[in-house]
Amino acid sequence: NAGVTQTPKFQVLKTGQSMTLQCAQDMNHNSMYWYRQDPGMGLRLIYYSASEGTTDKGEVPNGYNVSRLNKREFSLRLESAAPSQTSVYFCASSDKDSYSNQPQHFGDGTRLSIL
Amino acid sequence: GENVEQHPSTLSVQEGDSAVIKCTYSDSASNYFPWYKQELGKRPQLIIDIRSNVGEKKDQRIAVTLNKTAKHFSLHITETQPEDSAVYFCAASKRSGGYQKVTFGTGTKLQVIP
Repeated sequence: NAGVTQTPKFQVLKTGQSMTLQCAQDMNHNSMYWYRQDPGMGLRLIYYSASEGTTDKGEVPNGYNVSRLNKREFSLRLESAAPSQTSVYFCASSDKDSYSNQPQHFGDGTRLSIL
Repeated sequence: GENVEQHPSTLSVQEGDSAVIKCTYSDSASNYFPWYKQELGKRPQLIIDIRSNVGEKKDQRIAVTLNKTAKHFSLHITETQPEDSAVYFCAASKRSGGYQKVTFGTGTKLQVIP
């Protein structure tokens, strides 16, 4: 049981290049999330998917797109990378409970540098 | 929207002493408060959580308290050990439509000095 798996772990891009960050979970969770983590700013939500087939913007969605490919997989795409997108990206998932919130489980992160 | 403030940003304690990290939140609809520990270069990991119908929860050396009226919640670590050194994040969460909206604090870097 791997939990949440992210690929790649590290990536260096040039300004203007595009790439897709991959995330997969094996816990049968309904909800999945993409966060970015910058020094001194905690974790900020980029996009989320409440359930398979739905995606919505979070706090900082500009410059990103997402795809919820199936229940297991949720990818994040940078169409034209900018230096301001240099960050550590975390994918997370949580179970769906009609009555209460559930803890989020995080992947190991992708460290992305844009030159 | 929700705003979560966390203090202090850094905390140094001697091994064996206690550490306290405090958070405040602004949205009274928040009803779930998880705490995450993040070691250098690693993923955030849940260490304890508390729901709004509970005032205190304890798990061995870790405890969390919640004051809904004042919108404060705190993490208490007793008998600190070097392996407690990490960044700790508080968060406030509520249901928003079909998903769980989570707002994180900015983190506290805890250093336990042997």
